[in-house]
Amino acid sequence: NAGVTQTPKFQVLKTGQSMTLQCAQDMNHNSMYWYRQDPGMGLRLIYYSASEGTTDKGEVPNGYNVSRLNKREFSLRLESAAPSQTSVYFCATPLGTRAAGYTFGSGTRLTVV
Amino acid sequence: AQSVTQLGSHVSVSEGALVLLRCNYSSSVPPYLFWYVQYPNQGLQLLLKYTSAATLVKGINGFEAEFKKSETSFHLTKPSAHMSDAAEYFCAVNQKEDYKLSFGAGTTVTVRA
Repeated sequence: NAGVTQTPKFQVLKTGQSMTLQCAQDMNHNSMYWYRQDPGMGLRLIYYSASEGTTDKGEVPNGYNVSRLNKREFSLRLESAAPSQTSVYFCATPLGTRAAGYTFGSGTRLTVV
Repeated sequence: AQSVTQLGSHVSVSEGALVLLRCNYSSSVPPYLFWYVQYPNQGLQLLLKYTSAATLVKGINGFEAEFKKSETSFHLTKPSAHMSDAAEYFCAVNQKEDYKLSFGAGTTVTVRA
């Protein structure tokens, strides 16, 4: 998963706690994405950022906030975690043009109890 | 919104047998199409991509996929399965006007000795 670094790799939260997932890319691309992966549902887009200073909602944004800190970094925040947010979270950025696809981080496995 | 359908959430094949994973998309204009593979507890790796240069696309690890516009399909095949092919496979599409990827629900492949 060269190019995208995510931290932490694992996290257990209690219901109501908050946390921030960090993502950094060195592909020098304007766009960055946050997805969640759940069994039988593939990857669903939470939020994306088309360029530094802009963010937009994806398919499943409720319960999340994001910050595009600079061109390299795009963080995802859970203000008050719920068990429904137990999932694996992936950050991604394009490999180049639209035809090139994405490169993904190694993921954050989050459990909310 | 772009829709991607993968037929069959689980596929079991014998080692040496043909692997066939089905993917259909809904779009009047052929999008960019991708297959990703996810090995257990890992991130997503790009297997291959269709970008309109050729309808038969070869990827890594002996996989290939054929784009059929008339059937809006992009099925993934491998002539002879290997134990190391056991993984989850995702079909993904994006429209040519933006970078957002939409994913199918995924197909888990198990390989029997």
